[in-house]
Amino acid sequence: QVQLQESGPGLVRPSETLSLTCTVSGGSINNFYWGWLRQTPAKGLEWIAYMYHSGSTKYNPSLSSRVTISIDMSTIRFSLKLTSMTPADTAVYFCARLQSVTVPTYFDSWGQGIMVTVSS
Amino acid sequence: DIQMTQSPSALSASLGDRVTIACRASQDIYNSLAWYQQKPGKAPKLLIYDTSNLATGVPSRFSGRGSGTHFTLTITSLQPEDIATYFCQQYEKSSLTFGGGTKVEIK
Repeated sequence: QVQLQESGPGLVRPSETLSLTCTVSGGSINNFYWGWLRQTPAKGLEWIAYMYHSGSTKYNPSLSSRVTISIDMSTIRFSLKLTSMTPADTAVYFCARLQSVTVPTYFDSWGQGIMVTVSS
Repeated sequence: DIQMTQSPSALSASLGDRVTIACRASQDIYNSLAWYQQKPGKAPKLLIYDTSNLATGVPSRFSGRGSGTHFTLTITSLQPEDIATYFCQQYEKSSLTFGGGTKVEIK
């Protein structure tokens, strides 16, 4: 059974870049989409980005100017970079796997989540 | 983006009750809908996909129905372990969106 684990800083200063990594174990990264989401009490669950193992990407339009998702096939990890962080980006960030037939659909496996606080 | 609206935002029910949660899409999403269960401090867990298909290991007391813009999640007999927040998610459009959640509590 595939397992996902987020890693990264729990505290980021305003204007800095958040870098998170998701390590995939117990399964292949091939033939799936891999994504990032975040959750806040105010905005609920928000999809951030997803990427196919072969490299195609899709970003939430509201965040697209600040987000980059990438995959490292050699280490079976995928990453998120979110620039120009503000307190509004304080959230629990999740990585997840998406099922797909021809397009990405629902999230069938999730990491446990990592709390990221933006504060000086 | 497709807006997903859930109702109610919270409900209180007795053990053994039948519980129904609604999810409405701002445009036709056919059957491209999933439901998730989230317990405090945990990640969401997939319950149902393609409107009515139970994910692996999900008890049969959970069921999903609907099409187009109106969908429901039903728990036929509420159990203590069902206390959680439930979210719907559409995937008809590539910009994936979620409902605001329904918190289920015990009366």
